[in-house]
Amino acid sequence: GAVVSQHPSRVICKSGTSVKIECRSLDFQATTMFWYRQFPKKSLMLMATSNEGSKATYEQGVEKDKFLINHASLTLSTLTVTSAHPEDSSFYICSARDFSEINSPLHFGNGTRLTVT
Amino acid sequence: AQSVAQPEDQVNVAEGNPLTVKCTYSVSGNPYLFWYVQYPNRGLQFLLKYITGDNLVKGSYGFEAEFNKSQTSFHLKKPSALVSDSALYFCAVKDSSASKIIFGSGTRLSIRP
Repeated sequence: GAVVSQHPSRVICKSGTSVKIECRSLDFQATTMFWYRQFPKKSLMLMATSNEGSKATYEQGVEKDKFLINHASLTLSTLTVTSAHPEDSSFYICSARDFSEINSPLHFGNGTRLTVT
Repeated sequence: AQSVAQPEDQVNVAEGNPLTVKCTYSVSGNPYLFWYVQYPNRGLQFLLKYITGDNLVKGSYGFEAEFNKSQTSFHLKKPSALVSDSALYFCAVKDSSASKIIFGSGTRLSIRP
């Protein structure tokens, strides 16, 4: 089945630094990937839709200069949390669909636990 | 606009008993419905989906879900719960004409031995 790999699984960084999270589709091409943030009370919030070769589409309330998304190839999207602050600490999850498969479900990475100290 | 609701924050079931996790949805067109499971500190795993066809959909790990158009529901079920089924479950919906999938707030399923 389709596999999405997300790296790193955990990262601890100091306030003010930037952190890059990678999301790769391993056995399929993903023209579109999605980035979610999961809060402690478990709800999943869509942050942005990453489009290969073009600008990401951000959801309302998500700062595009804070959460930089790059989707330079059909198998890789990156999310960079710039000038991280403790309130950015969260669980970030990426997902992708295999558009070659009709009505394909979303396939998720294993998530990245970000802790900003 | 599309939306999905999971009315139960937590469901507790004894091992061996049947389980149901509830989900209702609202879409303007035809619904595409999904169930996902999440284990601690992991991403979501796909369980099953309804696109069209039979209202009863069978998925991974013995789970099934029934699409009920009149009640706009897509409840997740399993005839006999296992302790290993304890996890967080998400229902999701997509309008057939939309690009985004919307997730419910999640239901924590706890199976006691």
